[in-house]
Amino acid sequence: RKEVEQDPGPFNVPEGATVAFNCTYSNSASQSFFWYRQDCRKEPKLLMSVYSSGNEDGRFTAQLNRASQYISLLIRDSKLSDSATYLCVVNKGSGDSNYQLIWGAGTKLIIKP
Amino acid sequence: NAGVTQTPKFRVLKTGQSMTLLCAQDMNHEYMYWYRQDPGMGLRLIHYSVGEGTTAKGEVPDGYNVSRLKKQNFLLGLESAAPSQTSVYFCASSSGGGPYNEQFFGPGTRLTVL
Repeated sequence: RKEVEQDPGPFNVPEGATVAFNCTYSNSASQSFFWYRQDCRKEPKLLMSVYSSGNEDGRFTAQLNRASQYISLLIRDSKLSDSATYLCVVNKGSGDSNYQLIWGAGTKLIIKP
Repeated sequence: NAGVTQTPKFRVLKTGQSMTLLCAQDMNHEYMYWYRQDPGMGLRLIHYSVGEGTTAKGEVPDGYNVSRLKKQNFLLGLESAAPSQTSVYFCASSSGGGPYNEQFFGPGTRLTVL
């Protein structure tokens, strides 16, 4: 089983629709969770961190479910510019491994006009 | 403020050749990382550094060496390149080792080993 699993997609979604991705992780010791965005042939960039209580940033909402070990990303009113690959990222654990990140392979999103 | 830069952007090597990838950051970050990204897989950590003069192995260190002689630079070396090392290499840096320290990435180096 992969440490971080994501549906690779692609998700083909019409502009203006709402789309949601889930990601599962295997290490119960993980303490920090992120969504990064990666455009084609570019570097990953932080989209948002995911906090225990859930958090929202504009059209984006992230949720964490520790009991089931998954995190989710919801994008409302999707824009053409949201087309990208979304990477689920989890820290390796506590102590010395705190800052080491485990990366999912990503979910590809294509927004169509 | 350039952030994280990587040189070269592209390189083609023959099996057995050696090369060094250079990463530089101007954000005064303590932590630096080298990753590789292969199709269908998440980024995998090769080596990392928690400060000048220190390095440590990540998930896939075999066939690579690193050095962090200056705080702002992190070098990744391939002593004898193999086709399995064909990949996109990303360097990243972060200010600290806390759980929510954002990692900032360079633009990547696309390496092909023939």
